[in-house]
Amino acid sequence: AQKVTQAQTEISVVEKEDVTLDCVYETRDTTYYLFWYKQPPSGELVFLIRRNSFDEQNEISGRYSWNFQKSTSSFNFTITASQVVDSAVYFCALSAVNTGTASKLTFGTGTRLQVTL
Amino acid sequence: DSGVTQTPKHLITATGQRVTLRCSPRSGDLSVYWYQQSLDQGLQFLIQYYNGEERAKGNILERFSAQQFPDLHSELNLSSLELGDSALYFCASGATPGLAGVEQYFGPGTRLTVT
Repeated sequence: AQKVTQAQTEISVVEKEDVTLDCVYETRDTTYYLFWYKQPPSGELVFLIRRNSFDEQNEISGRYSWNFQKSTSSFNFTITASQVVDSAVYFCALSAVNTGTASKLTFGTGTRLQVTL
Repeated sequence: DSGVTQTPKHLITATGQRVTLRCSPRSGDLSVYWYQQSLDQGLQFLIQYYNGEERAKGNILERFSAQQFPDLHSELNLSSLELGDSALYFCASGATPGLAGVEQYFGPGTRLTVT
């Protein structure tokens, strides 16, 4: 079975602070993909990043960076110099090969990020 | 804008009724996925179609059914509605059916309220 845990239910920061959102996953598959999605107050789900299990390189995209560590089954997301527009619920998700439902996403419960001035 | 469209945006109906939610995937995408987001269950995968055929099933109730039509749009039918079916229903589309790494692009969702 696959499982994604986002232990932080809600995080509040002041603008310009850095913030890290934690994601821990469980899967028995050796090939899998990890994703982050953003859900702003308007409700839609916005794709942020995909990472496969064979690529442990960290990735940076502007103020966003992701740290994938297979040894700890974690795929953490850091926002540097947070802005009010970053306020949203962030979901980590997992998709594994060879499960018979290879394309489905298993989501974590989400972390609500509140950025204030 | 993801390119995935869903109608209606909001739906209010009574218990026992039946509703149909509609989704049009991004141009070129053959796969459609349905997800339910509720306060108690979170975001859950319901069902996936690829080019008209069902490919994967998740936690979908027997009262719910879906199909994908030749023009690739999909409909999710919810019947004998209960209060607990109130949720945000998302449709997502992706390019390839069985590749786990395919990015899924989500529509804006249909908010269903059962009273």
